[in-house]
Amino acid sequence: SQTIHQWPATLVQPVGSPLSLECTVEGTSNPNLYWYRQAAGRGLQLLFYSVGIGQISSEVPQNLSASRPQDRQFILSSKKLLLSDSGFYLCASRDRGSSGYTFGSGTRLTVV
Amino acid sequence: DAKTTQPTSMDCAEGRAANLPCNHSTISGNEYVYWYRQIHSQGPQYIIHGLKNNETNEMASLIITEDRKSSTLILPHATLRDTAVYYCIVRVYSWYNNNDMRFGAGTRLTVKP
Repeated sequence: SQTIHQWPATLVQPVGSPLSLECTVEGTSNPNLYWYRQAAGRGLQLLFYSVGIGQISSEVPQNLSASRPQDRQFILSSKKLLLSDSGFYLCASRDRGSSGYTFGSGTRLTVV
Repeated sequence: DAKTTQPTSMDCAEGRAANLPCNHSTISGNEYVYWYRQIHSQGPQYIIHGLKNNETNEMASLIITEDRKSSTLILPHATLRDTAVYYCIVRVYSWYNNNDMRFGAGTRLTVKP
């Protein structure tokens, strides 16, 4: 079964600072990878998904970007954080031909 | 993907069955019903999914109406650890469907002692 590693678990960053959140996946190869964000008390919003190395699709315009330098590595970045970037960021993985998603434990980002 | 409607919140007594409804009146013939739950400050967890037949696994049962316009997730003997937000999602299942699972606000289930 898949295991998703996300770090850090919590992060406090000042406005205007850069961001890099990393997600790595074990137990599978060539998965679809996803970044979701959850604002306080809200549902999950899809930010990016990737079907392969170097292939990124963005769902919403924003100051965030994503990259997939390796098959099982997915990175969420920002050059300059905004207050509105605060939230709970989740990485997810799905095997091709599988209906189930596996989620990481998330990173709670607070921009101050 | 078809839209789903769920109650905002529900309470359930510990040890009793928790029945969580979901309306998906615009569901199409090739769309599955999925249920996930999210315990506070954790990532969502897959529970169960189905197309038209009722489904059961070690976590829950899924009852889908004959017209497929609604479904109910049943936790047969709710425990305090089942307190979470439960998401009902309708989505086409296809190996080449590479896009996302779209989550709504879900139902916040509180299991009380």
